[in-house]
Amino acid sequence: SQQGEEDPQALSIQEGENATMNCSYKTSINNLQWYRQNSGRGLVHLILIRSNEREKHSGRLRVTLDTSKKSSSLLITASRAADTASYFCAPRRGSEKLVFGKGTKLTVNP
Amino acid sequence: GAGVSQSPSNKVTEKGKDVELRCDPISGHTALYWYRQSLGQGLEFLIYFQGNSAPDKSGLPSDRFSAERTGGSVSTLTIQRTQQEDSAVYLCASSSGQGAYNEQFFGPGTRLTVL
Repeated sequence: SQQGEEDPQALSIQEGENATMNCSYKTSINNLQWYRQNSGRGLVHLILIRSNEREKHSGRLRVTLDTSKKSSSLLITASRAADTASYFCAPRRGSEKLVFGKGTKLTVNP
Repeated sequence: GAGVSQSPSNKVTEKGKDVELRCDPISGHTALYWYRQSLGQGLEFLIYFQGNSAPDKSGLPSDRFSAERTGGSVSTLTIQRTQQEDSAVYLCASSSGQGAYNEQFFGPGTRLTVL
């Protein structure tokens, strides 16, 4: 199993701005998942993008995947204070277990 | 139940004591994971159960840590002779199987404090 590396480690923006977080990984994958964690408790699944997809949308979330660069990005548009959380990516190959990195800590200031 | 549950939600113990943390996965989920998260850090994988297969224990930090899953459902993580560095939030997650596209559902975690 492999672990994604999120970048930046921390991001602080104003409400209404867009937030972009990046994820890099090392080997080929079947899919990549993004999760959110509020206040150090359980993670919540946000979106899954398959290796044959380049872009996926869900509400204010936009995820891209570039398998040639082994990277993904998560864009949150028109951010809100409630988006303040840590965001984790989880690249997955086959049925191997999911492991998580350190995440990106996003702060949205009202 | 509606989601993954964990108990207790908070546990304070003295150094050297044993603790047991419990996880109730979503009914029917065959995969169950334990993770640990120290303050301000990422998730550290501990152990993974999948159906009747031998568990993947590669993340357990020492032989003081053990976990079991009875009847393919409830899991207990046991930490013997706790140390202060064991203080962390312990998270459990389950998913519906081995499929590559299965998402994980997390419990609220148990916050362990070792004095």
